[in-house]
Amino acid sequence: RKEVEQDPGPFNVPEGATVAFNCTYSNSASQSFFWYRQDCRKEPKLLMSVYSSGNEDGRFTAQLNRASQYISLLIRDSKLSDSATYLCVVNLAGGTSYGKLTFGQGTILTVHP
Amino acid sequence: DGGITQSPKYLFRKEGQNVTLSCEQNLNHDAMYWYRQDPGQGLRLIYYSQIVNDFQKGDIAEGYSVSREKKESFPLTVTSAQKNPTAFYLCAVRDSPTGELFFGEGSRLTVL
Repeated sequence: RKEVEQDPGPFNVPEGATVAFNCTYSNSASQSFFWYRQDCRKEPKLLMSVYSSGNEDGRFTAQLNRASQYISLLIRDSKLSDSATYLCVVNLAGGTSYGKLTFGQGTILTVHP
Repeated sequence: DGGITQSPKYLFRKEGQNVTLSCEQNLNHDAMYWYRQDPGQGLRLIYYSQIVNDFQKGDIAEGYSVSREKKESFPLTVTSAQKNPTAFYLCAVRDSPTGELFFGEGSRLTVL
């Protein structure tokens, strides 16, 4: 099993749709979780951190489910500009893994008119 | 991110040559990271450093070397031992309180 695994994309949705991505992680001791957005041929940029209680930033909502070891990202009212690759990142804590952040393989989202 | 500078942005080299990619930061962060990204793939960790004069191997360290002599600088050398060096290389720093990573704009290496 991969340390961090994302939904296989791509997701193609119309403008205004709601879309959700999941990301599972294997190490139950993981401490920190993030969602990044990456545009084509650019560097990843932080979209939002994921807190235990869940958090929302405008149209974006992130959730953490420790029992099932996954995080999710919900995008409401999709815009054309949301088209990108979404990467989940997990900090695998403990021992020599401290400080090692591992990325999922990414999920491609395309929002069409 | 404005405080992380990677150079060069594009680099072409012949097979068998060593290449050094620069990463400089003025954000005063201790932890720095090097990732590699191949087309259609996620990021894979090459090396990371939590403090000056210390660094750890990531998942794909073979064929690469790093140094961390100064807090601001974390150069990556792609050696001739790296079998498939053509890739997009990303340097990042980590904000310790939040754990968030911030990336430079990346360096695209093509080996001919």
